Amino acid sequence: DAGITQSPRHKVTETGTPVTLRCHQTENHRYMYWYRQDPGHGLRLIHYSYGVKDTDKGEVSDGYSVSRSKTEDFLLTLESATSSQTSVYFCAISESGLGNYGYTFGSGTRLTVV
Amino acid sequence: QQPVQSPQAVILREGEDAVINCSSSKALYSVHWYRQKHGEAPVFLMILLKGGEQKGHDKISASFNEKKQQSSLYLTASQLSYSGTYFCGTGAAGSQGNLIFGKGTKLSVKP
Repeated sequence: DAGITQSPRHKVTETGTPVTLRCHQTENHRYMYWYRQDPGHGLRLIHYSYGVKDTDKGEVSDGYSVSRSKTEDFLLTLESATSSQTSVYFCAISESGLGNYGYTFGSGTRLTVV
Repeated sequence: QQPVQSPQAVILREGEDAVINCSSSKALYSVHWYRQKHGEAPVFLMILLKGGEQKGHDKISASFNEKKQQSSLYLTASQLSYSGTYFCGTGAAGSQGNLIFGKGTKLSVKP
């Protein structure tokens, strides 16, 4: 229905373990983004993708990696989770990379690192 | 580089008006506005592109002054459903559509 889904919706993990979050879209949009949202900081860009296998870093990319092997899937991996990565993670998609189309956000993944 | 939003929070009575401002230190190509309700994802409201345009969306409208690198969101005759946190997202030319978001303005509309 919404065209974009994130999984899992909630996750609790231990410090030092790897974690992968998935973003799946059915809109065939080329542009996909991962943001994290923390109180007092708003939404901050982690990584983005402008096509299959084409990705780049955002402003808070340390400790994160991404992969996009298919148009519809954009994966975010926390290589070794730390408590500072406890956050709500949002994936977004856009029809254009010119900034002239709005984002559609997924429902978010609430990640807790203990 | 993060745009600055003001005010940080505002409380209104139904039917009152509000203005939310977004100011950037960088040259802008576009300004987006989103509303997020508690526990939900941000929802796109409108986009303004450089050219000093103004857009409307029911009783919610916005303006973009590219020379001042500022945008304002106007909420007229507020309704209870307008409550939420409003974010501006700014985009620069050639940024692959990346947006830098402000910290948000929390709007509460009371009966």
